[in-house]
Amino acid sequence: GEDVEQSLFLSVREGDSSVINCTYTDSSSTYLYWYKQEPGAGLQLLTYIFSNMDMKQDQRLTVLLNKKDKHLSLRIADTQTGDSAIYFCAERNSGNTPLVFGKGTRLSVIA
Amino acid sequence: KAGVTQTPRYLIKTRGQQVTLSCSPISGHRSVSWYQQTPGQGLQFLFEYFSETQRNKGNFPGRFSGRQFSNSRSEMNVSTLELGDSALYLCASSPGPGYTDTQYFGPGTRLTVL
Repeated sequence: GEDVEQSLFLSVREGDSSVINCTYTDSSSTYLYWYKQEPGAGLQLLTYIFSNMDMKQDQRLTVLLNKKDKHLSLRIADTQTGDSAIYFCAERNSGNTPLVFGKGTRLSVIA
Repeated sequence: KAGVTQTPRYLIKTRGQQVTLSCSPISGHRSVSWYQQTPGQGLQFLFEYFSETQRNKGNFPGRFSGRQFSNSRSEMNVSTLELGDSALYLCASSPGPGYTDTQYFGPGTRLTVL
């Protein structure tokens, strides 16, 4: 079945850029998402990218997709302490299939 | 537009009891999905409903069931609770088939089984 892998932890200094990586196995993945979860909260949709795109930028967030290597990354520019959270990568191969999530990357921002 | 709402936010039950969780989707959204989040297994898909019909089902025992009403609100039920059912249960709504179907999540219901 489909699998989504992420590193578990990332620590960065305030003001630096953070890069969170994700790999997936389903070559027919059509939609790829990044969600953010703060302590005690649900999942907040940050951004998404379709498989026919290589890059998407949204303010401080940049998503890069390498379809050949099945690799997705989320870059957060000028990382702030408020960005400390768990970031989940998720994929689905059509609008009719459920989301498959990675285990999440815990981002710690050091002031 | 109001977001996805889930009630109750917290629940404590004992083994063997049953529980019902409720989810109200974003206005205009017709699809509701349920996920279970635990520290060990991460986020796992339970089921998805669209127009009162179950469209997809995850790999969970029959103790887990759900339904959707004509106003798109959804409930999930867990019968004969086990300790391992302790988790954060997340509901997500989306417009429905034919769109990108991006899912928006509620704050979750934290269930503790003693």
